[in-house]
Amino acid sequence: KAGVTQTPRYLIKTRGQQVTLSCSPISGHRSVSWYQQTPGQGLQFLFEYFSETQRNKGNFPGRFSGRQFSNSRSEMNVSTLELGDSALYLCASSATGGANYGYTFGSGTRLTVV
Amino acid sequence: AQSVTQLDSQVPVFEEAPVELRCNYSSSVSVYLFWYVQYPNQGLQLLLKYLSGSTLVKGINGFEAEFNKSQTSFHLRKPSVHISDTAEYFCAVSGTSSASKIIFGSGTRLSIRP
Repeated sequence: KAGVTQTPRYLIKTRGQQVTLSCSPISGHRSVSWYQQTPGQGLQFLFEYFSETQRNKGNFPGRFSGRQFSNSRSEMNVSTLELGDSALYLCASSATGGANYGYTFGSGTRLTVV
Repeated sequence: AQSVTQLDSQVPVFEEAPVELRCNYSSSVSVYLFWYVQYPNQGLQLLLKYLSGSTLVKGINGFEAEFNKSQTSFHLRKPSVHISDTAEYFCAVSGTSSASKIIFGSGTRLSIRP
């Protein structure tokens, strides 16, 4: 079956702009989590959506937001981009959201803010 | 809350030699523990996980890890590494409730020398 699909793979934006990233989970998976990966901070948890509801949230400013649709696809939005938002954004899906089932990660979207 | 510490940022090792990547965690509640691998320009792939039961967990690609509750450690080992094992390895921890998020360590870059 198809894996977790993230689009686009690469993105270049200008400081101050906004961006929307998309994640399509594995069919049947209802939980989608988002992580930001940078060389300095490593993998940091952004938020998790389960059945269209945000269930967990990390310590990121309000400029970072997300949503999940009825088909479990998720989007994350970053407004007023800053240079420090340059990162690899990873999406992971799981069947029930329970960590014991493990997460399946997408290949990520690499965002560069100039 | 949980946290995880990977003690080595880089581990160089010769091909066919054994390797151990160290991981310590902190938590006031029961945990699940994971090791993920990330190859260049890819997302994370689950190597193995400890949920309960036997403290020695075997994973893919010949890797294994041992859960040590008294030392709060979950070190990853492989008896003989190959060039193809060159990657970044992440230890991760989560609580055991279905709503728990996965927290990742800072990663260990494993480089294999021929």
